[in-house]
This record gives sequence, structure tokens and C-alpha cells, in this order.
Amino acid sequence: DAKTTQPPSMDCAEGRAANLPCNHSTISGNEYVYWYRQIHSQGPQYIIHGLKNNETNEMASLIITEDRKSSTLILPHATLRDTAVYYCIVRVRGTDKLIFGTGTRLQVFP
Amino acid sequence: DSGVTQTPKHLITATGQRVTLRCSPRSGDLSVYWYQQSLDQGLQFLIQYYNGEERAKGNILERFSAQQFPDLHSELNLSSLELGDSALYFCASSPDRGNYGYTFGSGTRLTVV
Repeated sequence: DAKTTQPPSMDCAEGRAANLPCNHSTISGNEYVYWYRQIHSQGPQYIIHGLKNNETNEMASLIITEDRKSSTLILPHATLRDTAVYYCIVRVRGTDKLIFGTGTRLQVFP
Repeated sequence: DSGVTQTPKHLITATGQRVTLRCSPRSGDLSVYWYQQSLDQGLQFLIQYYNGEERAKGNILERFSAQQFPDLHSELNLSSLELGDSALYFCASSPDRGNYGYTFGSGTRLTVV
């Protein structure tokens, strides 16, 4: 199973872009990269996912390197409500389950 | 409201007891997933059901069991409870094989005393 490595914590000023990196150097060709976030003790919230192309939705953008060994989640204009733990996950090949790591705790400050 | 309903929201029970947690998936979703989140640990995958059948299993204890009913709601049964079972239990659902991400419920907070 491909593992992911994320920094344990990051800070970001409100209104600035938050760039959250993720390393997944052992990812296989048919494995997707997913991003979720968890605000306090709420249920995790799906943000975005991708295979090899960059993706954008109303919440964020996902940039995947050409070799697919790393990716970056971009929150273009961070707000205080974006303070959360962000999880980068590689979907286990051949199964549906998502394995959550320890994530990055993003603190957005005024 | 995510569309995934978990009941009860809070549960306090004694060691050795048995409890049942319930999850109603989002309308139209066929897959249900159960996760456990302890205070000092991340989200641990327990088990997945797809259209009534077990699809994948994680580190689920033998004291725990789950099932998905014909109306697609799911129940997680926890028996012979121990203090260490105190945790948040999340249910998630997806339309099919999870290709479009899961939708999580707000969780059940279980406290074993």
C-alpha cells in the first residue's frame, strides 16, 4: 500500500493561499490521491481527488507532479474556518477503503 | 447536514456491556464504511459493506461486528466493551466503490466507564 508523508503542522495567514504538500513516492499507476479535512471532532470532509491531472473544484486545487510522487493541495484564499487537520490519502489498490494517516494540522491566523 | 445520519450522537456505557451504533447512508449510496477515532490515534478503518455484503475489513476486533440491511442502513455492534473502546465512531457512505469520495456522518461518541 502506498504511504503518504505530510508535515505535522502548518500556519497560514487569513486571505493568503495555503499550500499543503504530500509525498507519496510509492504510489502505483492506478492509485488515486484523495484529500480530506477534519475540523475539530467533526466527520472528515471530502475536498478533492485526482489521478494524474491537476484538479480544481469550488474548495481547492490539487496539483500532482508529473511523476506522481508528490502532490500539493491549494486553498486559494484561506479563512479561519479552514483551520483543520488535512489528510492526504492514497486509495488502496484493488479495494475501496481509504487509509488515513496523521495529516497536517493547518492553523489559519488573522 | 452531510446526508449520512448516525445515531446516537453520544453514548455512555459500562465496561462489559454491548452497544449498537446505527448509520443511515446518503440516499442512493450503496457502500457504508465504519471508522474508529480514539483520542490519541487517527482514523482507523474498521469495515466496509457494499449493497448488503462485506467488502473490505480493517483492524476490526473480534468483539466488534457489523452488518448492512436491505434498506442499506448499517449497524456496528460492539460487545464486551473495554475502557479502550472509548472513541468517536464514524460512518461514511459512497455511491459505489468510493471513486468519488466518501461522505462522512457526524459520528457517535462512545464513552466506556
